Amino acid sequence: DAKTTQPNSMESNEEEPVHLPCNHSTISGTDYIHWYRQLPSQGPEYVIHGLTSNVNNRMASLAIAEDRKSSTLILHRATLRDAAVYYCILRDHFMGGSNYKLTFGKGTLLTVNP
Amino acid sequence: ETGVTQSPTHLIKTRGQQVTLRCSSQSGHNTVSWYQQALGQGPQFIFQYYREEENGRGNFPPRFSGLQFPNYSSELNVNALELDDSALYLCASSFPQETQYFGPGTRLLVL
Repeated sequence: DAKTTQPNSMESNEEEPVHLPCNHSTISGTDYIHWYRQLPSQGPEYVIHGLTSNVNNRMASLAIAEDRKSSTLILHRATLRDAAVYYCILRDHFMGGSNYKLTFGKGTLLTVNP
Repeated sequence: ETGVTQSPTHLIKTRGQQVTLRCSSQSGHNTVSWYQQALGQGPQFIFQYYREEENGRGNFPPRFSGLQFPNYSSELNVNALELDDSALYLCASSFPQETQYFGPGTRLLVL
């Protein structure tokens, strides 16, 4: 399983941008980079994913390095509701190829200060 | 559109017992994946069902088994419960190759 490395924790202030880094030096050419977050006592929530190009959606932006060995999740203006564990995941395909599993690490605990 | 639902929300069992957890997939999704999340850890993949067949399995013993029904809902069964089976059990539904959407989980405590 391809592995990712994230800081254990990060801290931010409300209404400031947050940049959550992820290293994935063993990424293969077909691995998608997924980000999920998990609020306390909830299931993981999909945030964003990408393959090579930077991606934006209503929740966040994903910046992918040119060599794809690292990526950064960007929350443009953190709110208290963004306090969660953020997981950077490389999607692993099965034999048979059409489906995949998610291999989670421990993620980054983001604390947002008011 | 209804999201992924799981039942029950909480459950307490004793060692050696058997448990069945249920998952209703998001409307139209034909793939259900199950994950186990121990306290302080990320979720670990148990197995996946696609069109009523097991489509892949993680590093879990055979006492973890599952089913998927024609309406794509799914069950996770665990036999001979052990203390270490205490965890949050999560299911996620999806179409093949598309985003997995998670339910809120079932918290199982084994005493």
